Amino acid sequence: QSALTQPPSASGSPGQSVTISCTGTSGDVGGYNYVSWYQQHPGNAPKLLIYEVTKRPSGVPDRFSGSKSGNTASLTVSGLQAEDEADYFCSSYAGSNNLIFGGGTKLTVL
Amino acid sequence: VQLVESGGGLVQPGGSLRLSCSVSGFSITTYNMKWVRQAPGKAPEWLAFSGTDGTTTWYADSVKGRFSIARDNAKNSLFLQMNSLRAEDTAVYYCARFSYASKSMDVWGQGTTVTVSS
Repeated sequence: QSALTQPPSASGSPGQSVTISCTGTSGDVGGYNYVSWYQQHPGNAPKLLIYEVTKRPSGVPDRFSGSKSGNTASLTVSGLQAEDEADYFCSSYAGSNNLIFGGGTKLTVL
Repeated sequence: VQLVESGGGLVQPGGSLRLSCSVSGFSITTYNMKWVRQAPGKAPEWLAFSGTDGTTTWYADSVKGRFSIARDNAKNSLFLQMNSLRAEDTAVYYCARFSYASKSMDVWGQGTTVTVSS
């Protein structure tokens, strides 16, 4: 199974909103509501931001939101802050106990 | 809640390594666990799953027959035995707590680096 497609980079100024896309197929993103998003600062462990497309674990600010349309899922970061500068990657269930991931997007806060 | 991986390093093609994941803050007996790796410049890839029953294991096709996942409940630790290593196994290896209900990893370690090279 091919990896999910994410843009390699995204950027925004403090206070702005940025949306990162994650495109798959009807066999993964489009077929299941099991899309997750992770944030990873360099040298740190990945952190779960969003699960089941739209749900946030406790402790994750509501500035982070997820959505899905067809075969594309999106992560929106509102009210950008300097500490949001990090790598973001998505994952989706793809059936048969298989999880696939996106290649990651480097978010730069200008 | 913390996961700490160890055991990575430089190994020659065809060699073996055993990665460990020491868990604190929760009991692995009540959680499913996974190993995930990320090669430089590539998307992460799940490798192996260990179920709470201690016997259910699944593997990605890329490592089936070469890698083996195991857990030691007494030590609250997870392991990944890697045999017949190839250059393409070079990556950062993470252990993660996996929620089967939501198909997501809610706790990750910081990773251990494996380099396969002669």
